[in-house]
Amino acid sequence: GESVGLHLPTLSVQEGDNSIINCAYSNSASDYFIWYKQESGKGPQFIIDIRSNMDKRQGQRVTVLLNKTVKHLSLQIAATQPGDSAVYFCAENQFRGKLIFGQGTELSVKP
Amino acid sequence: KAGVTQTPRYLIKTRGQQVTLSCSPISGHRSVSWYQQTPGQGLQFLFEYFSETQRNKGNFPGRFSGRQFSNSRSEMNVSTLELGDSALYLCASSLEMDGHYEQYFGPGTRLTVT
Repeated sequence: GESVGLHLPTLSVQEGDNSIINCAYSNSASDYFIWYKQESGKGPQFIIDIRSNMDKRQGQRVTVLLNKTVKHLSLQIAATQPGDSAVYFCAENQFRGKLIFGQGTELSVKP
Repeated sequence: KAGVTQTPRYLIKTRGQQVTLSCSPISGHRSVSWYQQTPGQGLQFLFEYFSETQRNKGNFPGRFSGRQFSNSRSEMNVSTLELGDSALYLCASSLEMDGHYEQYFGPGTRLTVT
């Protein structure tokens, strides 16, 4: 039969507001995490990464927070713009070149 | 520096056929990983190659295979195609830095099996 698509969590924000996208990971031994942005028809684009010896890392308009106690990551986007509309994935690096991806969150920015 | 390239971008095949997809990594990257992306299962790891050797493998049947050449270019092959193999196949190349893999993705090959 036909596959049932993943029901992606969605986040709708007003242009200029801050966005927070959350992600839970599974393996407490994972020591490296990456956030990706995927626009329609394109491959995932690297946004920012963080290692397990850090709690916070900042980039240009983005901040990633890591809470190892509850195995939780968040991506904060400041002053969200229409060009930020996309699906955002967190990924944990379990072993060498193997990434395990979360289900993704669809961000919609209203002008 | 050129990004990861994948060919072909689109492919239509018939059930039972086999297909080969190609990936050229970023210059200097020696690790190439493959992923399958479907609406039902999301992004799933297929396998990783490093210096022409498969170093990591996901939970896919043996119909899915790959290889890597001495110039780090990689191919993946799917034999005896099934309808459920319709997906976006993504290749990512990695620059290992202090044991952490910063992976960069290509645009993908959209495979449709009819």
